[in-house]
Amino acid sequence: AQSVTQLGSHVSVSEGALVLLRCNYSSSVPPYLFWYVQYPNQGLQLLLKYTSAATLVKGINDFEAEFKKSETSFHLTKPSAHMSDAAEYFCAVIAAGTGFQKLVFGTGTRLLVSP
Amino acid sequence: DAGVIQSPRHEVTEMGQEVTLRCKPISGHDYLFWYRQTMMRGLELLIYFNNNVPIDDSGMPEDRFSAKMPNASFSTLKIQPSEPRDSAVYFCASSRRQVVDEQFFGPGTRLTVL
Repeated sequence: AQSVTQLGSHVSVSEGALVLLRCNYSSSVPPYLFWYVQYPNQGLQLLLKYTSAATLVKGINDFEAEFKKSETSFHLTKPSAHMSDAAEYFCAVIAAGTGFQKLVFGTGTRLLVSP
Repeated sequence: DAGVIQSPRHEVTEMGQEVTLRCKPISGHDYLFWYRQTMMRGLELLIYFNNNVPIDDSGMPEDRFSAKMPNASFSTLKIQPSEPRDSAVYFCASSRRQVVDEQFFGPGTRLTVL
């Protein structure tokens, strides 16, 4: 069964610093991979998704992620953190080509941004 | 579009009572999902529907939980009887044509069972 592992339940950065949130996936078939963001007291919102096209995926708010099959990784990055980026970020996977497809979420990483 | 609408936003009830959570998906979306979020278990898919038909309910914790989608614009998640361990935030989400399409989440219902 497919799954994702997010390394680090909390990541702290300073405003203007690089953001790196780590996600590794496990899937026996080519995966679809997603990053969602959850702001306080809100539902999740899609940042970006990988669906086997370009390995470097660009999303909203200058976030991007690179699919690396050799490392089974799909890390999320942003060159310069803003205070408004403080939120919880979830990596998720769907196994392509299987029946009863469903999105499986990681445990989340809370991003803290300090001035 | 107003997005996915959930009601109520907050629900406080006593153990043993019936709880009904409601969801209106985005018009034109074929898929509807119910999720539960807790600190201990994270975000879990409970059930999802395609064109009003339940497709996968393997995440429904037990028989106390039931979900229906009588038409394309309305779904309910019912817990009867409720227990304190059901306390969580319940999200409804919808997507357009496929499970791999972007899922649009509602604001959630925060359920507290005393």
